[in-house]
Amino acid sequence: EVQLVESGGGLVQPGGSLKLSCAASGFTFSGSAMHWVRQASGKGLEWVGRIRSKANSYATAYAASVKGRFTISRDDSKNTAYLQMNSLKTEDTAVYYCTRHFGGSYPDWGQGTLVTVSS
Amino acid sequence: QSALTQPRSVSGSPGQSVTISCTGTSSDVGGYNYVSWYQQHPGKAPKLMIYDVSKRPSGVPDRFSGSKSGNTASLTISGLQAEDEADYYCCSYAGSYVVFGGGTKLTVL
Repeated sequence: EVQLVESGGGLVQPGGSLKLSCAASGFTFSGSAMHWVRQASGKGLEWVGRIRSKANSYATAYAASVKGRFTISRDDSKNTAYLQMNSLKTEDTAVYYCTRHFGGSYPDWGQGTLVTVSS
Repeated sequence: QSALTQPRSVSGSPGQSVTISCTGTSSDVGGYNYVSWYQQHPGKAPKLMIYDVSKRPSGVPDRFSGSKSGNTASLTISGLQAEDEADYYCCSYAGSYVVFGGGTKLTVL
């Protein structure tokens, strides 16, 4: 059974930093692209970014709204993906989900972790 | 990176059919056969319902079907049931990034 467990969310002040983790199990993590998707309260889903596998040079891509502030990384030895968030803004407040990307879709999602950016 | 356009809400009575549209551009929906649909109940993570425009994952009822014409994809739910009441999101690959629709709230009357 595929499991994705996010952690690291919490309250942070505007301009601050936070690093989220996504612990994966139940599939070949090293061969999978991992994506992050967020959802502000009462709003829709927003793609944040992704990191591909080693075979695809760990290539990353980001949404325009977070580019230059967020960084996605992974540690295949720990089956874990990360989302480093810097220069946080109030509009980054959301539940952040990590997802496994497979065949052009997201068949597996974590339970999400809440990030609140507020003074 | 503009969001795909979905109706904000649709409704139908039990047993009826509803269709949710998802309009993008030739750079996303129209350019790739990587359109997927997600169902989300309040407080829950999204659930994949349709992938690659029209394929259903194992366990998803065949009441759910997907299609695409040009830059517009559609999700049709036939034989509506009370448990289908939820938010639905379309999603498309767009080259180096991914884009979601704004979401549609389905109400079962």
